[in-house]
Amino acid sequence: EAGVVQSPRYKIIEKKQPVAFWCNPISGHNTLYWYLQNLGQGPELLIRYENEEAVDDSQLPKDRFSAERLKGVDSTLKIQPAELGDSAVYLCASSLAPGPYEQYFGPGTRLTVT
Amino acid sequence: QQQVKQSPQSLIVQKGGISIINCAYENTAFDYFPWYQQFPGKGPALLIAIRPDVSEKKEGRFTISFNKSAKQFSLHIMDSQPGDSATYFCAASNGNNDMRFGAGTRLTVKP
Repeated sequence: EAGVVQSPRYKIIEKKQPVAFWCNPISGHNTLYWYLQNLGQGPELLIRYENEEAVDDSQLPKDRFSAERLKGVDSTLKIQPAELGDSAVYLCASSLAPGPYEQYFGPGTRLTVT
Repeated sequence: QQQVKQSPQSLIVQKGGISIINCAYENTAFDYFPWYQQFPGKGPALLIAIRPDVSEKKEGRFTISFNKSAKQFSLHIMDSQPGDSATYFCAASNGNNDMRFGAGTRLTVKP
């Protein structure tokens, strides 16, 4: 069984430029999460999807971040414009459903904003 | 708002020793407490998890001890091996899987 796939794995951009991250969850997983992980810190939830619906985006900085999950499968997280403080690892995870189910994480995208 | 506090930040253990990582939570609505293991360049992977209706869960060399009244839980790694060297995160979630992670503990097991 393939795990959660993320691309790109690494991205270096200049500040004020846009950037997008892509995630393909495990087949059959209805719940998808985007997390932000700063160096030396635990993951912090940005947004959670149940199928196509964003059910928790309270921690997403909506002035510059946006996300979508068309058809309830793949998801894209976008930052426009990027700031220096956005440098971090962006993790995607999926689970079968909401509730006490294991979340499976992808390898993450390491973003460096210069 | 840090809802899950984890300690220590880093830990060095000799091979064969016991590694102990502690976590404390605040929100009594949390009802699922997993531990994740993360190697450099990889995403976190579930190691072991516990529900609050039991005080201990053991899987191989890994044991979670849970104290509901104190709102604390800990991970014990018995017979620690160099391959266990990684960063460990405790987490807590409610029924909607709103997962809150601790800041992580970097474990180094010396051969």
